[in-house]
Amino acid sequence: ETGVTQSPTHLIKTRGQQVTLRCSSQSGHNTVSWYQQALGQGPQFIFQYYREEENGRGNFPPRFSGLQFPNYSSELNVNALELDDSALYLCASSLGRGVDGYTFGSGTRLTVV
Amino acid sequence: QQPVQSPQAVILREGEDAVINCSSSKALYSVHWYRQKHGEAPVFLMILLKGGEQKGHEKISASFNEKKQQSSLYLTASQLSYSGTYFCGTAIMNRDDKIIFGKGTRLHILP
Repeated sequence: ETGVTQSPTHLIKTRGQQVTLRCSSQSGHNTVSWYQQALGQGPQFIFQYYREEENGRGNFPPRFSGLQFPNYSSELNVNALELDDSALYLCASSLGRGVDGYTFGSGTRLTVV
Repeated sequence: QQPVQSPQAVILREGEDAVINCSSSKALYSVHWYRQKHGEAPVFLMILLKGGEQKGHEKISASFNEKKQQSSLYLTASQLSYSGTYFCGTAIMNRDDKIIFGKGTRLHILP
């Protein structure tokens, strides 16, 4: 079975720009969660999608938005990028919203300059 | 709601034991444990559910004290491959709740 794939792996953007990060969930998984991980910190919950519906959101502003598609892949969009948005963005997929654990992708390293 | 992990960092020699603790101010439904090596994705170790039993995975096991809202991860006879940062993640409401992660415990195993 394939794992979770994220693209791109690295990205450099200018403050004020917009970015789209992509995630292909593990085969058979119907839930995708997005996390932001600053250097040396734990993953911070952004939001979760279950069967194309948002199922919970963390303490992130509305300029962070997402989508889940019928094949359960997902996108994270960030508008009006700020320097503090620089971080590793992790996507995790699961079956049944996490009761059996999450499978994480390797992440997208976003640098805002 | 973020769980608190302790200690923040541990240095051990190969073969020694370690305990990593995770505590919450809220009643917990489940506790997840993950290990992340530098530059890699977090890897799922185990999940403990409310009302469940202590779990084990080779020489890594964990317990969940519902009354104290605490979980502990036990690493027995540590191996060099155990090095990394360990995160606990907690779900509060029910099995469908989002997982909130602690800040992590860095474990370094010396030969």
